[in-house]
Amino acid sequence: GNSVTQMEGPVTLSEEAFLTINCTYTATGYPSLFWYVQYPGEGLQLLLKATKADDKGSNKGFEATYRKETTSFHLEKGSVQVSDSAVYFCALSEDSGGSNYKLTFGKGTLLTVNP
Amino acid sequence: NAGVTQTPKFQVLKTGQSMTLQCAQDMNHNSMYWYRQDPGMGLRLIYYSASEGTTDKGEVPNGYNVSRLNKREFSLRLESAAPSQTSVYFCASRTRVVGGELFFGEGSRLTVL
Repeated sequence: GNSVTQMEGPVTLSEEAFLTINCTYTATGYPSLFWYVQYPGEGLQLLLKATKADDKGSNKGFEATYRKETTSFHLEKGSVQVSDSAVYFCALSEDSGGSNYKLTFGKGTLLTVNP
Repeated sequence: NAGVTQTPKFQVLKTGQSMTLQCAQDMNHNSMYWYRQDPGMGLRLIYYSASEGTTDKGEVPNGYNVSRLNKREFSLRLESAAPSQTSVYFCASRTRVVGGELFFGEGSRLTVL
């Protein structure tokens, strides 16, 4: 079955530091890949996505590139801010005619950014 | 813009009591999902409804039932609550397209004593 493995946290950084959160996946087909973010007390919201190999998703200074050869979708940001403190989830979905369009999530990585 | 609306937001139950979590979406999405979130476990799929009129088990369905009442509404029922069901529950919906965004409700925090 499908699975997502992301680096365990918590991750603590100083403001303006570089961020990498690793994510690797296992899937039988050609999944779509997502990063979701959850701010304290809220539901999850989409941060970025990529639907095919070598695609780069980007949003709010965050980037992730779909690497089929390494089955990875690592999240990066060049300079984090205090407001980026949240839990980040990597996820995949095998979206095809015969699938059920379910998303499988990693366990989440808590990021804390200190001023 | 309402999006996905869940009720109630908070609930305390005693072991053995029953309750229903309600979920409605106003985005005309075909597929709806119920997840639970527990510390260190991420999000785990309980049940889903790929389209109106169908429901299927997810990863952790035991102790739960669901009803897809119509295209908008998808409810989750706990028939006899257990402390192991203490969790935060999220309803979500998406359209059936490649890379379609999954939209989440704000969550329902359930405590079973």
